Amino acid sequence: AQKITQTQPGMFVQEKEAVTLDCTYDTSDQSYGLFWYKQPSSGEMIFLIYQGSYDEQNATEGRYSLNFQKARKSANLVISASQLGDSAMYFCAMREGNTGRRALTFGSGTRLQVQP
Amino acid sequence: DAGVIQSPRHEVTEMGQEVTLRCKPISGHDYLFWYRQTMMRGLELLIYFNNNVPIDDSGMPEDRFSAKMPNASFSTLKIQPSEPRDSAVYFCASSSLGTGYQETQYFGPGTRLLVL
Repeated sequence: AQKITQTQPGMFVQEKEAVTLDCTYDTSDQSYGLFWYKQPSSGEMIFLIYQGSYDEQNATEGRYSLNFQKARKSANLVISASQLGDSAMYFCAMREGNTGRRALTFGSGTRLQVQP
Repeated sequence: DAGVIQSPRHEVTEMGQEVTLRCKPISGHDYLFWYRQTMMRGLELLIYFNNNVPIDDSGMPEDRFSAKMPNASFSTLKIQPSEPRDSAVYFCASSSLGTGYQETQYFGPGTRLLVL
């Protein structure tokens, strides 16, 4: 079974509107971390936001927020007031805690296109 | 502070040749990761180090791949001999031990490898 599932290969959004990118995960660990990265066409991986499994509040970073629903094992990224520069690939990733393994497992990504 | 530095940024080589990719992590980070990104397999871990010691090399495809970290500020990933199926973007990332599971990995710009 896939550990991280991103079901939206591509998304379109109008400039200035909000958009939600879906991410579901699969783990039996109680402790884990969830991350979102942005990959623009230039190719670099840019860290956006982090959510810990024990964090009681949803994470926010500027226009980015994470809608964390632990019981549903979902960690959706919400981008408010979309900008043209938000057009990129977005990856959800997880670090599982029980094994002590530090590596991230990534989803397949969602390509977001912001239209003027 | 400079981010993760990778060289070369682009490499084109012929099948059978040796390829060496280089990485300088962020100063003070004690974890270093090598990931590979392909269209077919997405982003996957190859190997990671902690304090210059390889911890998990389960993602290294085969004996043709080797990685070293001779000191805290330098790592190499070597492919010998290279094959066309090794064509991919190779990312180096580094992190330091954080609170909880927020050990954010910061990625270098990647090396785009093409094996003809």
